[in-house]
Amino acid sequence: KQEVTQIPAALSVPEGENLVLNCSFTDSAIYNLQWFRQDPGKGLTSLLLIQSSQREQTSGRLNASLDKSSGRSTLYIAASQPGDSATYLCATSTSGTYKYIFGTGTRLKVLA
Amino acid sequence: ETGVTQSPTHLIKTRGQQVTLRCSSQSGHNTVSWYQQALGQGPQFIFQYYREEENGRGNFPPRFSGLQFPNYSSELNVNALELDDSALYLCASSTAGFRNTIYFGEGSWLTVV
Repeated sequence: KQEVTQIPAALSVPEGENLVLNCSFTDSAIYNLQWFRQDPGKGLTSLLLIQSSQREQTSGRLNASLDKSSGRSTLYIAASQPGDSATYLCATSTSGTYKYIFGTGTRLKVLA
Repeated sequence: ETGVTQSPTHLIKTRGQQVTLRCSSQSGHNTVSWYQQALGQGPQFIFQYYREEENGRGNFPPRFSGLQFPNYSSELNVNALELDDSALYLCASSTAGFRNTIYFGEGSWLTVV
């Protein structure tokens, strides 16, 4: 049974810092891994999708890496801004369906 | 904007009642999934519909049921509401194939009192 863990649960950083969010999963037989952003009381916005055959994906100031063998993914945010404040969730897809298993998220606060 | 719309956005129900939540998927998307997100938790998979048929189900009791219509919109029905059903219910749509991004709506907040 896949379990997804995110560390830290919460993070507060000053504006401009580069930061890394961590995601670990127990079953390496994943099809892909997605990182999402969730603003308070809102739905999820997909940030990056990494297929199982890929090592990383980049979008603007965001870079996500995937190491299937060790069951880890990281989301790197460069030059953080107050607008980046949100909860970041990672999720893995297994068994060829859209059943995503989510972590509990990292609540990020970027201070101006 | 993901193109996935959900209604209603907020509702309050009494324990034992029934509720129907609705989702319109993004144009061209034939797969709809529903998730339940309790406060402070990650979303939990309820079930998925592909071309009007249930195509996978999570650990939710049968009182959680759904429908998908020919235009790929979907409904989530919950009978005999319990207090623990209070949560954000999220709909996600995609095209078939596990290599594709899924797009979430803004969710429906259900409070059971």
